[in-house]
Amino acid sequence: EAGVTQFPSHSVIEKGQTVTLRCDPISGHDNLYWYRRVMGKEIKFLLHFVKESKQDESGMPNNRFLAERTGGTYSTLKVQPAELEDSGVYFCASSRGSDSYEQYFGPGTRLTVT
Amino acid sequence: AQSVAQPEDQVNVAEGNPLTVKCTYSVSGNPYLFWYVQYPNRGLQFLLKYITGDNLVKGSYGFEAEFNKSQTSFHLKKPSALVSDSALYFCAVRPYYGNNRLAFGKGNQVVVIP
Repeated sequence: EAGVTQFPSHSVIEKGQTVTLRCDPISGHDNLYWYRRVMGKEIKFLLHFVKESKQDESGMPNNRFLAERTGGTYSTLKVQPAELEDSGVYFCASSRGSDSYEQYFGPGTRLTVT
Repeated sequence: AQSVAQPEDQVNVAEGNPLTVKCTYSVSGNPYLFWYVQYPNRGLQFLLKYITGDNLVKGSYGFEAEFNKSQTSFHLKKPSALVSDSALYFCAVRPYYGNNRLAFGKGNQVVVIP
């Protein structure tokens, strides 16, 4: 089965611009997660979808970040307007269930804001 | 809130020697514990998990980890390291009940010396 895919792999934008990241989870996985790793720091949770519903968005840093999962399939994470501190690697993960099931991660999108 | 500590930035080991990567955690109630590995330019790859039952958990590529409740630790081990094990290793925890947010340690770079 295909793994979690993310697009683009790398994005370089200027401060104030908008960027949209996309994640395609493993087919059949209802749970989708976004995480972020800022350089040299821990990977931090951003939010969790169950199908198309936001189950937990406690990790979203501020209202410049908007995540959607229309139809419960792929998800997008939009940053508008981007700030320098938004630079980092954004990981998407998916899991079949929400209990003990491990989360499978995509390769990440490296975002650089200049 | 859950958290993980991985005390060493880098672990150097000679090929063929035992490899240990340390992890301690903090969580409310019982934990779900995970180890992930990240190879260069790749996403996080699931290695193993502890849910319940035997404290010694076996995973992919000959890795195992031992859950120690009294010491709140979940150290990753491999009896004989390979050069191909050189990668970044992350420990993660989430509570048995409640949220599905994974809390990650900052990661340990493992370097296996030929």
